[in-house]
Amino acid sequence: NAGVTQTPKFQVLKTGQSMTLQCAQDMNHNSMYWYRQDPGMGLRLIYYSASEGTTDKGEVPNGYNVSRLNKREFSLRLESAAPSQTSVYFCASSANRYSSYNEQFFGPGTRLTVL
Amino acid sequence: GDSVTQMEGPVTLSEEAFLTINCTYTATGYPSLFWYVQYPGEGLQLLLKATKADDKGSNKGFEATYRKETTSFHLEKGSVQVSDSAVYFCALSDRGDMRFGAGTRLTVKP
Repeated sequence: NAGVTQTPKFQVLKTGQSMTLQCAQDMNHNSMYWYRQDPGMGLRLIYYSASEGTTDKGEVPNGYNVSRLNKREFSLRLESAAPSQTSVYFCASSANRYSSYNEQFFGPGTRLTVL
Repeated sequence: GDSVTQMEGPVTLSEEAFLTINCTYTATGYPSLFWYVQYPGEGLQLLLKATKADDKGSNKGFEATYRKETTSFHLEKGSVQVSDSAVYFCALSDRGDMRFGAGTRLTVKP
């Protein structure tokens, strides 16, 4: 039972390059999330998927796209990377986003640097 | 909208000192409250939680009480260890949205 896994762990891109961050969970959770973590700002929600087949914007969606490939997998794509997207990216999952108690489980993160 | 404000760090303590990290929240509904911990190079892990007013969450010697009257959920530990060095995040969950505080970095020195 691996929980939430993310690949890659580290990535360096040049401005304008594209890449996809992968996330998978094995807890049979309905809801999945992508966050970015920047110093002094806590975690900010980029996109979420409340259930398979749905995706919605979070607080900071600009410059990103997502795909809920199936119940297990939720990917984040940067189409044209910019230095402002240098950050640590976390994927998370929870049983049900709209339950009154929405504990989220986090992956180990991807540290992305855009030059 | 809902928000969480927590004590700015960094916080540096000696081993066996008492720890308090303050957290207050603003919410229109009745949120669940959480403390998450992030060890160096890792993702966030749930430390403790409380789902209603006056609930006390506890784990690994850490405690926090959900105080509706003061909209607070302060984290405490009576005697910290070097292994408690980490970043601590207060968070709330209300009607699907989870909001995190900025995080407080704790360093415990031997």
